Amino acid sequence: DIQMTQSPSSLSASVGDRVTITCRASQDISSYVSWYQQKPGEAPNLLIYAASTLQSGVPSRFSGSGSGTDFTLTISSLQPEDFATYYCQQCYSAPPWTFGQGTKVEIK
Amino acid sequence: QVQLVQSGAEMKKPGASVRLSCKASGYIFKTYAMHWVRQAPGQGLEWMGWIFPGNGNTRSSQKFQGRVTITRDTSANTVYLELSSLRSEDTAVYYCARDLTVGTYLGSGYWGQGTLVTVSS
Repeated sequence: DIQMTQSPSSLSASVGDRVTITCRASQDISSYVSWYQQKPGEAPNLLIYAASTLQSGVPSRFSGSGSGTDFTLTISSLQPEDFATYYCQQCYSAPPWTFGQGTKVEIK
Repeated sequence: QVQLVQSGAEMKKPGASVRLSCKASGYIFKTYAMHWVRQAPGQGLEWMGWIFPGNGNTRSSQKFQGRVTITRDTSANTVYLELSSLRSEDTAVYYCARDLTVGTYLGSGYWGQGTLVTVSS
């Protein structure tokens, strides 16, 4: 199975900060990565797919990049509603389509 | 609009089985694959399995070693997850989630509200 190693596991940031979360795949997965945001008590929400395509309705301050084994989710200017947990998921080839361990973004 | 409505919370004893449902609406049910993802309390997301309602093809994570059965009822636009030989570690919120696009899996763009399964003696 393909493993997704996400870092950091948590971070503290202030409103307006630029935030970067990384995910590393255990093998080349081309651009088959999606990113999700999850708030407490809610289902995950898809932010980005195919590594860099913004899902409809998602604010443009979110962006994704990378290919091969290394991927990044960036929030250009953190807003109060962005404090949440973020997950990457590899969508490459056949299942299982594994998730990263998650990154909790907390208020500094 | 796409809606996925899951069945209600369940409380089960160790060794029992549980069957969860996910009723879909707002799109052509047979066209999009559906996944089951679970989340133990305070933990991350875990992909469990997948079904393509059009032909019933399924695949589940080997982690569950045959304990997972995923089925669908096309007449009811509903997919089901059955998990057998329950243990305390299966206590989690279980989500169904629909593929964003037809064909290649690019992520799950629609999620159910989740069903809490509690396993306790």
